[in-house]
Amino acid sequence: EVQLVESGGGLVKPGGSLRLSCAASGFTFSNVWMSWVRQAPGKGLEWVGRIQSNGDGGTTEYAAPVKGSFTISRDDSKNTLYLQMNSLKTEDTAVYYCTTMSPALNYWGQGTLVIVSS
Amino acid sequence: DIVMTQSPESLAVSLGERATINCKSSQSVLYSSNNKNYLGWYQQKPGQPPKLLIYWASTRESGVPDRFSGSGSGTDFTLSISSLQAEDVAVYYCQQYYSTPPTFGQGTKVEIK
Repeated sequence: EVQLVESGGGLVKPGGSLRLSCAASGFTFSNVWMSWVRQAPGKGLEWVGRIQSNGDGGTTEYAAPVKGSFTISRDDSKNTLYLQMNSLKTEDTAVYYCTTMSPALNYWGQGTLVIVSS
Repeated sequence: DIVMTQSPESLAVSLGERATINCKSSQSVLYSSNNKNYLGWYQQKPGQPPKLLIYWASTRESGVPDRFSGSGSGTDFTLSISSLQAEDVAVYYCQQYYSTPPTFGQGTKVEIK
């Protein structure tokens, strides 16, 4: 059974940093492209970025609002996806989901809540 | 970026009746080399993550009931629920994965009349 479990969310002040993790199981993580999607409270879905499998080059792409502030990485030895978030703004407050990409977003974690507030 | 526009924003349908949601993309999401539409539909129930229902515009994900169907090509797509059940109350999103960034529609809330 595919499982994606996000962690690392919490309350952070504007300008602060946070690193989210997504532990994957039930599939061959190293072969799969992964992405992060966020959802602000009461709002719709917004794609944050993605990382290719290392076999496909391991490159990353980001949505314009987070480019230069967020970094996606992966550790295939730990079956874990990361999202490093720097220079956080109040508008980054959201539930952050990790997903597989094939290329639709076929599996989703339960999400982790990030609140950016002073 | 490709803009995805869903209609209606919400709809109320009687149990057992058909629900239809439309999704329009600002440019075609049909990839000519493989004749596939890079379009998915997701269902999000309250307090839960989204769930993929349909990919390639019309292919049901494994385990999705056959009352859900997707159709359309190019820029105009439809998600139909043939006989609405109580468990289908949710927000539904379309998403294009033809180009980066992948973009979502604003969502359509389906309720019971």
